[in-house]
Amino acid sequence: SYDLTQPPSVSVSPGQTARITCSGDTLPKKFAYWYQQKSGQAPVLVIFEDNKRPSGIPERFSGSSSGTMATLTISGAQVEDEAHYYCYSTDNSDNQWVFGGGTRLTVL
Amino acid sequence: EVQLVESGGGVVQPGGSLRLSCVASGFSLGNSAMHWVRQSPGKGLEWVSLISDDGSRTFYADSVRGRFTISRDNTKDSLFLQMNSLKTEDTALYYCQAMSGTGLNYFDLWGQGTLVTVSP
Repeated sequence: SYDLTQPPSVSVSPGQTARITCSGDTLPKKFAYWYQQKSGQAPVLVIFEDNKRPSGIPERFSGSSSGTMATLTISGAQVEDEAHYYCYSTDNSDNQWVFGGGTRLTVL
Repeated sequence: EVQLVESGGGVVQPGGSLRLSCVASGFSLGNSAMHWVRQSPGKGLEWVSLISDDGSRTFYADSVRGRFTISRDNTKDSLFLQMNSLKTEDTALYYCQAMSGTGLNYFDLWGQGTLVTVSP
């Protein structure tokens, strides 16, 4: 089976830049998607197709991908950005999707 | 309002069956590939299954293949997940997810989930 690897936790102070990485063998060829999930809520898409931001998502959220690693960057993280973040992508066939293990972002 | 609403969750014994439903409103389900994603209590997200927009292709995670069946009825804007031979490890909140398009036309929508509890 295919795996995506994320750090379990990232911690920053308010106003600092948070970077959450996602490593996977097919990321050079396949898009990464990023979801934010706050406690008790459904996931919310914050980045799609590596670096595109859905309408309504603050500009401080950005994404990039290089080689086998995709990165979610939150520039000037806010306390309200505290959440779990998951990367999401497919294997080479586009038929098996997988989530990374999730990264808990703490902003304090 | 554009939304997905799941139903059909409940408590079932190991070896039992459940059928989950997901109904779309405010948009046509037939334009989207549909996924089921689950989340066990206190755990991360796990992809479960995918069905193409026309229902002709279905795919499953190794953990559910042979036990779960995904299907859809585009005339009723509905998605289903038939779950058989349930195990305690299938206990989770089950979400349906719509995905379609690319770039400016990209569409992604999740429901609020329906809880499945498998317990003796």
